[in-house]
Amino acid sequence: EVQLVESGGGLVQPGGSLRLSCAASGFTFSSYSMNWVRQAPGKGLEWVSYISSSSSTIYYADSVKGRFTISRDNAKNSLYLQMNSLRAEDTAVYYCARRDFWSGYPFDYWGQGTLVTVSS
Amino acid sequence: DIQMTQSPSTLSASVGDRVTITCRASQSISSWLAWYQQKPGKAPKLLIYKASSLESGVPSRFSGSGSGTEFTLTISSLQPDDFATYYCQQYNSYSPTSTFGQGTKVEIK
Repeated sequence: EVQLVESGGGLVQPGGSLRLSCAASGFTFSSYSMNWVRQAPGKGLEWVSYISSSSSTIYYADSVKGRFTISRDNAKNSLYLQMNSLRAEDTAVYYCARRDFWSGYPFDYWGQGTLVTVSS
Repeated sequence: DIQMTQSPSTLSASVGDRVTITCRASQSISSWLAWYQQKPGKAPKLLIYKASSLESGVPSRFSGSGSGTEFTLTISSLQPDDFATYYCQQYNSYSPTSTFGQGTKVEIK
């Protein structure tokens, strides 16, 4: 069974940093690209970042470019999101989501999400 | 950047109703469109990909159509489990970026 489990969320002050993790199981993690998607309270979904299976290709939404860094460790079946210079508008539930990019498939499995709250 | 616009934002319907949600892209995206269902406190669930392909395990009352810039999600006979928020998403096989519509909440009439 495919499972994605996020962790690392919490309360952080504006300007602070946080590192999110996503533990994958039930599939060959190294064969899939991965994404982070966030959802502010009561709002819609916003794609945040993409990383290819080998980490060779990385993309960010303009709203987080220069502040967030996506990475992965295929040996540990884990995905990460390092978030620096956090702002109030970064407050959201952050989901990791799997994507079979080369097959033209969208996000087929999602984690349960981890809440990040940026507030003083 | 490609913008995705869903309508309506909220839809009130009864069990058994036929429901249609529209998603428009700011430029042609061919058939690179997905639909997701999200219930409160839960992660989104993939329903439809490539505009009209039904994801495995999804009931056949859900269907998708369209290409280019206009797409629809249809629920042929609304069931109690279908009251949720639905999102469209543009994606493709040559750019890793992605954009979601703002969502359509289907609520009980």
